[in-house]
Amino acid sequence: QKEVEQNSGPLSVPEGAIASLNCTYSDRGSQSFFWYRQYSGKSPELIMFIYSNGDKEDGRFTAQLNKASQYVSLLIRDSQPSDSATYLCAVLPDSWGKLQFGAGTQVVVTP
Amino acid sequence: DTGVSQDPRHKITKRGQNVTFRCDPISEHNRLYWYRQTLGQGPEFLTYFQNEAQLEKSRLLSDRFSAERPKGSFSTLEIQRTEQGDSAMYLCASSLEDGELFFGEGSRLTVL
Repeated sequence: QKEVEQNSGPLSVPEGAIASLNCTYSDRGSQSFFWYRQYSGKSPELIMFIYSNGDKEDGRFTAQLNKASQYVSLLIRDSQPSDSATYLCAVLPDSWGKLQFGAGTQVVVTP
Repeated sequence: DTGVSQDPRHKITKRGQNVTFRCDPISEHNRLYWYRQTLGQGPEFLTYFQNEAQLEKSRLLSDRFSAERPKGSFSTLEIQRTEQGDSAMYLCASSLEDGELFFGEGSRLTVL
């Protein structure tokens, strides 16, 4: 079992709609959770992080965390073609160090 | 803002040769990471430094892979006796806070 699991996609989303991305993790003791965006041919860039159960909003992005279910999600509201990318879920199992990435979900926003 | 820089950006080598990659982190960042990424996969953790101390490393770094960060500044990743399976993008990242990584543009390795 992989430590961080994501649906690979592609997730096709009409422009202006909400994209919903899901991620599950295996280490129940994990404390910190991150979403990175990776455009084709580019390196990952951090877009959000969440530490506490519940929702965290940043502009058009909302991260949701449920530690009991070992589940973290990312919502992208009013999706734009520029949101087309691979979204990587990452989990920090300990309080420091080794950030574990999922394989990523490819999002395609269609005009 | 210089960001994280990696060198070389591309390296083509023959199987069995040694290769070395260099990473210069953002100057005030004390944490430095090496990851490897292949097509369709997320970054795979290789090793982590805090200042000059190598605090954690993947089992991959127990044999042909070695990393150093002398004086807590730049870092090098060496792969000895390269194999075709080593072909990948090697990503370096630095950070001030755990998990909030800033990645370089990567060094793409092709082993023929």
